[in-house]
Amino acid sequence: NAGVTQTPKFRILKIGQSMTLQCTQDMNHNYMYWYRQDPGMGLKLIYYSVGAGITDKGEVPNGYNVSRSTTEDFPLRLELAAPSQTSVYFCASSYFGRTGGSYEQYFGPGTRLTVT
Amino acid sequence: GIQVEQSPPDLILQEGANSTLRCNFSDSVNNLQWFHQNPWGQLINLFYIPSGTKQNGRLSATTVATERYSLLYISSSQTTDSGVYFCAGGGAQKLVFGQGTRLTINP
Repeated sequence: NAGVTQTPKFRILKIGQSMTLQCTQDMNHNYMYWYRQDPGMGLKLIYYSVGAGITDKGEVPNGYNVSRSTTEDFPLRLELAAPSQTSVYFCASSYFGRTGGSYEQYFGPGTRLTVT
Repeated sequence: GIQVEQSPPDLILQEGANSTLRCNFSDSVNNLQWFHQNPWGQLINLFYIPSGTKQNGRLSATTVATERYSLLYISSSQTTDSGVYFCAGGGAQKLVFGQGTRLTINP
């Protein structure tokens, strides 16, 4: 298993541009998450999904959109990039259901985004 | 919402020393995880430990859920243990991260 993969690894955007951060997991996890990490800080939850077609806001959702059309993929969209969105973005996944699992989250390698 | 506090914020030790990192959380949690973020930014899962004690080599962790805290022990520190250690607590939908403990191990 590759686990959680993210693309791109690095990206520089100009103010006002748009982009999509890609996240894919191959563990058949039902829960997926997007976090951002600002310098010297812990991670903060942007959006999460409990299954295909179901998404909800986390702590810092403004300026972002998500969709979940498949179990494997959970892209994060930035519509009008702002300098405040300069951060490292992590995607994570977990499995919990009636057949077992735990709440343990597994993280991807991150995408470092700079908006200038 | 839940709040997670970690202490100490910084810790500088010599190689071979032992250390204890603490995580306090403001409410009961179904999920408590410890992570190591290495100098390249990668988050490495150390423990999933909503309660009880676990050990993995030189690392061990204990969570006392009734008292809302968790401890991470690192014994015989090595320079490769340097980095930031995060604890995070919550449930299935939301995991709240502490601010981290920056550990520096000098040779």
